[in-house]
Amino acid sequence: DIVLTQSPGTLSLSPGERATLSCTTSATISSTYLAWYQHTPGQAPRLLIYGASNRATGIPDRFSGSGSGTDFSLTISRLEPEDFAVYYCQHYGSSRTFGQGTKVEIK
Amino acid sequence: QVQLQESGPGLVKPSQTLSLTCTVSGGSITSVGSYWSWIRQQPGKGLEWIGYVYYTGGTYYNLSLKSRLHMSVDSSNNRFSLNLRSVTAADTAFYYCARESEENCFDAWGQGILVTVSS
Repeated sequence: DIVLTQSPGTLSLSPGERATLSCTTSATISSTYLAWYQHTPGQAPRLLIYGASNRATGIPDRFSGSGSGTDFSLTISRLEPEDFAVYYCQHYGSSRTFGQGTKVEIK
Repeated sequence: QVQLQESGPGLVKPSQTLSLTCTVSGGSITSVGSYWSWIRQQPGKGLEWIGYVYYTGGTYYNLSLKSRLHMSVDSSNNRFSLNLRSVTAADTAFYYCARESEENCFDAWGQGILVTVSS
């Protein structure tokens, strides 16, 4: 199975700042098979990005995804209060696998 | 917009079977290209994909859990189910149902249900 490693583990930022989250895969993957999710405790996880760079329906344009090969990133251009959450990358392979998550917390 | 809701017991005894149901609203469980999935998050850990069931009854499971798993679909009631046999404390987790779409991602999720395995 492909292993996904997310960094950093925790990102401490202030509202209005830019957040850049990284997801590195253990082998080259097709960008078609890389997605990002936001998870706020007590709520359903929410799909943000699919196919590495496609925003899901209803996702604000401050969220963007990029990358290819083994290196992918999620950028939040200006953090809003509701963006402080845990973010996961996920690979669609023979077994679906997730990264361990990056927590974006208020500084 | 498709919505999902998990239901089932929050406490299961060791060696027994964990049984959960996910009710789908806002869409049909027989929708072509929708794969009805289960994902869990054990305490302090990340997300783990458990498997999926298709409306035809076809299934695909995580190999690490396959020997203990059974998933099924109830099209008449627009819901699907998870059975995990011979549970231990390691199966304590939040369990989420989700829809895997043709875009190779999980585009709808339930709120999750905490299941604790304890005597």
